[in-house]
Amino acid sequence: AQTVTQSQPEMSVQEAETVTLSCTYDTSENNYYLFWYKQPPSRQMILVIRQEAYKQQNATENRFSVNFQKAAKSFSLKISDSQLGDTAMYFCAFSRANAGGTSYGKLTFGQGTILTVHP
Amino acid sequence: GAVVSQHPSWVICKSGTSVKIECRSLDFQATTMFWYRQFPKQSLMLMATSNEGSKATYEQGVEKDKFLINHASLTLSTLTVTSAHPEDSSFYICSAREGMRNTEAFFGQGTRLTVV
Repeated sequence: AQTVTQSQPEMSVQEAETVTLSCTYDTSENNYYLFWYKQPPSRQMILVIRQEAYKQQNATENRFSVNFQKAAKSFSLKISDSQLGDTAMYFCAFSRANAGGTSYGKLTFGQGTILTVHP
Repeated sequence: GAVVSQHPSWVICKSGTSVKIECRSLDFQATTMFWYRQFPKQSLMLMATSNEGSKATYEQGVEKDKFLINHASLTLSTLTVTSAHPEDSSFYICSAREGMRNTEAFFGQGTRLTVV
């Protein structure tokens, strides 16, 4: 079974600054996917960024980037130039990959981190 | 991008009644759908995995007779909460995976259920 741990229940950052959210996971799988999801007050789940375990290069999406440390089973999210619209709950999530390398789609979530961006 | 529509967005029902929540994939065929439950300020917990044309697979601790899941077509899965009680009040979210896509499942907007 997989576990995902987010040890920061709440974080805050000033607008335009950088913040890093932490995530660790445990699995015996060799290939898998890791995700960061954003859940704003509307509660719609929004995919922020994804990382496939066999890819060594860290994923980036505009202001969002990850630090993926496979051996340490760590997957942190860095948000640069924070904006007020980044205020949300952020979830780290894990999904196994099948033999074809695709994600099963079934997600195990961490506890979440509430991020508040202050003006 | 792929769109998943969940209906209703919110529902209030009386204790002892049943309520049905629909999850539709609008522009792709969803071979697999997932149902999650989320309490306020908490994480999403997987309830069950639904595959088109077969019985759902429930996670440990989820009462299959209470949470009936049907996935009769490639675009629709339903979750029926039977004999609802106040403790069933929660936020229910579905996600759908299209067989050929390889990176993610797409989420509906969720349904807030309040049992009074």
